[in-house]
Amino acid sequence: SQQGEEDPQALSIQEGENATMNCSYKTSINNLQWYRQNSGRGLVHLILIRSNEREKHSGRLRVTLDTSKKSSSLLITASRAADTASYFCATDARAAGNKLTFGGGTRVLVKP
Amino acid sequence: NAGVTQTPKFRVLKTGQSMTLLCAQDMNHEYMYWYRQDPGMGLRLIHYSVGEGTTAKGEVPDGYNVSRLKKQNFLLGLESAAPSQTSVYFCASSAGTGIIYEQYFGPGTRLTVT
Repeated sequence: SQQGEEDPQALSIQEGENATMNCSYKTSINNLQWYRQNSGRGLVHLILIRSNEREKHSGRLRVTLDTSKKSSSLLITASRAADTASYFCATDARAAGNKLTFGGGTRVLVKP
Repeated sequence: NAGVTQTPKFRVLKTGQSMTLLCAQDMNHEYMYWYRQDPGMGLRLIHYSVGEGTTAKGEVPDGYNVSRLKKQNFLLGLESAAPSQTSVYFCASSAGTGIIYEQYFGPGTRLTVT
């Protein structure tokens, strides 16, 4: 079973636009991570947000976490063609033995 | 540093054949993981290891075995391959467990079982 569910499943935007994707989870978590996967490659860690944090920034990335709604969002500002990838949230919950559980991902296409 | 490497990159097996996937990391990480990725399913944990000589079952362990004889290597075995095991397999490692430590992923092995 998947702890995190990303929404939307796919997103198509023009270069320069912002891309927002959401992650909802079911059980209480310790913290949450976002990963990027380029086509045919392994996952790369983007950003980590702890359960006691509400917002975090890293370059053009902004992550929010709302533990009351059990949801997180990833915003990519001023998107570039190189941002074309799948994005996954991963949660760490005591119920899962503190192992990461990945959602199904959001496929983002940035058109030049 | 090479990071996490996987061998082979591609493999085609017939039903009932066996094979071993090799994962190696040069970051001196204690924890290593094997995942499978199927379309629309995200990554599912098969087995993991919290240190040399230890292994544990993940979410979908049936049909797979693992071994961690050396800290830097984590092997995933399929004793009798089935078409349901057609997938992309990723190995990952981390310095610790959980969200405190990010996981570093290998490039993946694409396995087709006919």
